[in-house]
Amino acid sequence: QKEVEQDPGPLSVPEGAIVSLNCTYSNSAFQYFMWYRQYSRKGPELLMYTYSSGNKEDGRFTAQVDKSSKYISLFIRDSQPSDSATYLCAMSPTYNNNDMRFGAGTRLTVKP
Amino acid sequence: IAGITQAPTSQILAAGRRMTLRCTQDMRHNAMYWYRQDLGLGLRLIHYSNTAGTTGKGEVPDGYSVSRANTDDFPLTLASAVPSQTSVYFCASSDDSRGYTFGSGTRLTVV
Repeated sequence: QKEVEQDPGPLSVPEGAIVSLNCTYSNSAFQYFMWYRQYSRKGPELLMYTYSSGNKEDGRFTAQVDKSSKYISLFIRDSQPSDSATYLCAMSPTYNNNDMRFGAGTRLTVKP
Repeated sequence: IAGITQAPTSQILAAGRRMTLRCTQDMRHNAMYWYRQDLGLGLRLIHYSNTAGTTGKGEVPDGYSVSRANTDDFPLTLASAVPSQTSVYFCASSDDSRGYTFGSGTRLTVV
């Protein structure tokens, strides 16, 4: 079993839809949780960062962490074609990033 | 523009050849990392460096070596390339736990 599981999709939604992306994990020591967005043939870029449990909102994006269930989510409201990308979850047990673990990524397409 | 520069962008390499992937950052970040990205496996850490002069092994270090002579540069060397090293390689840097800044990647094909 992988430490971090992420449904690879692909996920296709119409423009304006609410998108829910999820990851589960097995290591209860993870404390730092991140979401990255990766456009085709580009490097990942940090989208959201959360420490421990709770919610964080940034514009159309909301990140949720439920440590009791070992489950994290990224919600995208009013999705746009420009949101079409692969979304990677990542998590680390320590402040030091050497133990970072990534999900395999979910490919999202938002159709106009 | 501040960020990470990787070179080359892509390369086809004969098996058994030696190759160095270059990575330079201009953000003065202490920590730097090399990842490989493979379909279905996601990003896996090859080597890291927490500060100039130090390096460490990640999840998949075999067949790769790194050096960190200064803060800005973190080259990755494949001493004798094998087809299983065909992948997209990303260099990243960080100055705290709030995630990485990634480069644009090097697409390497070993034939």
